[in-house]
Amino acid sequence: DQQVKQNSPSLSVQEGRISILNCDYTNSMFDYFLWYKKYPAEGPTFLISISSIKDKNEDGRFTVFLNKSAKHLSLHIVPSQPGDSAVYFCAAFRDDKIIFGKGTRLHILP
Amino acid sequence: EPEVTQTPSHQVTQMGQEVILRCVPISNHLYFYWYRQILGQKVEFLVSFYNNEISEKSEIFDDQFSVERPDGSNFTLKIRSTKLEDSAMYFCASSDIPGAGELFFGEGSRLTVL
Repeated sequence: DQQVKQNSPSLSVQEGRISILNCDYTNSMFDYFLWYKKYPAEGPTFLISISSIKDKNEDGRFTVFLNKSAKHLSLHIVPSQPGDSAVYFCAAFRDDKIIFGKGTRLHILP
Repeated sequence: EPEVTQTPSHQVTQMGQEVILRCVPISNHLYFYWYRQILGQKVEFLVSFYNNEISEKSEIFDDQFSVERPDGSNFTLKIRSTKLEDSAMYFCASSDIPGAGELFFGEGSRLTVL
């Protein structure tokens, strides 16, 4: 039951350019969407979130866009930096749990 | 900075044995969670816990699993009669406000069932 889908398992982006990570969801009842970042051998860490009543949230280099009609959200990282290389999980929150996508591995190339 | 801590970092066990994974959530948090990630797969919700009881659990969280907050600081996940397919990274998480969505995760406990 893939309620949250990240269709790109990996993405490579040149340092300094924009990284765009995409996510689709199927349940229109989700209240909140989040992006988590995960380095090897560490737990996921929260990056940025967006309420379902908004369409954009920005925090420094990170911007999340939500398109409710398309049930799609995206994370923009600009400019991309080497430390951004990690696995990024899209997640959706409803009731008392967070449901994660499978993740996208982002490689920032020098 | 406060953090969620988990022990052990890695446990190897024989199939059929019982395993207890321990977590110390952030001290002022009230909501606790267990997630797991089988190698190469997504992070999956197992259970959420609030006010000393389970508030929600997934289909994965069957009678083989149980959670407990035995002493007000630890939050444990017990897996009875482990199976090969229980091999995974188990992540504990906590939050202070449900619905705000931000969970703080521990570094995970890797369980290997032989």
